[in-house]
Amino acid sequence: AQSVTQPDIHITVSEGASLELRCNYSYGATPYLFWYVQSPGQGLQLLLKYFSGDTLVQGIKGFEAEFKRSQSSFNLRKPSVHWSDAAEYFCAVGAGSGGGADGLTFGKGTHLIIQP
Amino acid sequence: DAGVIQSPRHEVTEMGQEVTLRCKPISGHDYLFWYRQTMMRGLELLIYFNNNVPIDDSGMPEDRFSAKMPNASFSTLKIQPSEPRDSAVYFCASSFIPGYGYTFGSGTRLTVV
Repeated sequence: AQSVTQPDIHITVSEGASLELRCNYSYGATPYLFWYVQSPGQGLQLLLKYFSGDTLVQGIKGFEAEFKRSQSSFNLRKPSVHWSDAAEYFCAVGAGSGGGADGLTFGKGTHLIIQP
Repeated sequence: DAGVIQSPRHEVTEMGQEVTLRCKPISGHDYLFWYRQTMMRGLELLIYFNNNVPIDDSGMPEDRFSAKMPNASFSTLKIQPSEPRDSAVYFCASSFIPGYGYTFGSGTRLTVV
């Protein structure tokens, strides 16, 4: 069975500083990987996805992520964070045909705090 | 496109009562997923449908939980009878091509007292 680990429960970053959120996955086949963001009281919004091709993928809101098969990782990065980036971030792996037809398995999330 | 629409946004009910959560997926999305989010367990997949047919309900915690999708534009998740441990945020998500990601609704926050 697939699994996702987000080692950092909380991360605090100063506004304007760079950000990296870690994600490690376990999946027997080629993974479909996703990052979602959840603001308080809201649903999850898709930031970016990877399933093939260039291992560095660009997403919305200035985020990017890099797939590293050798490390089973899919870390999320942003060069300069804004106060509005404060939220909960979830990494997910898709199972089943088409990379998610059997559901997404989510990590426990990383809570991002932005210091002024 | 109004996105995935869930109702109600908040539900407070007494233990033992029946609760029905509703979801309208995005038109044209053939896949519909119900998730539950709690602090302790995170996001858990409860059940999903493809073309209105339930495919896998192994995530449904107990027989008290049931879900239906009578047509392509409507799904319900029912809990009968409800218990305090069912308190959580319940999300509905839909997808046309799952490998491209899901679109989530805003969720229903259920509190059972």
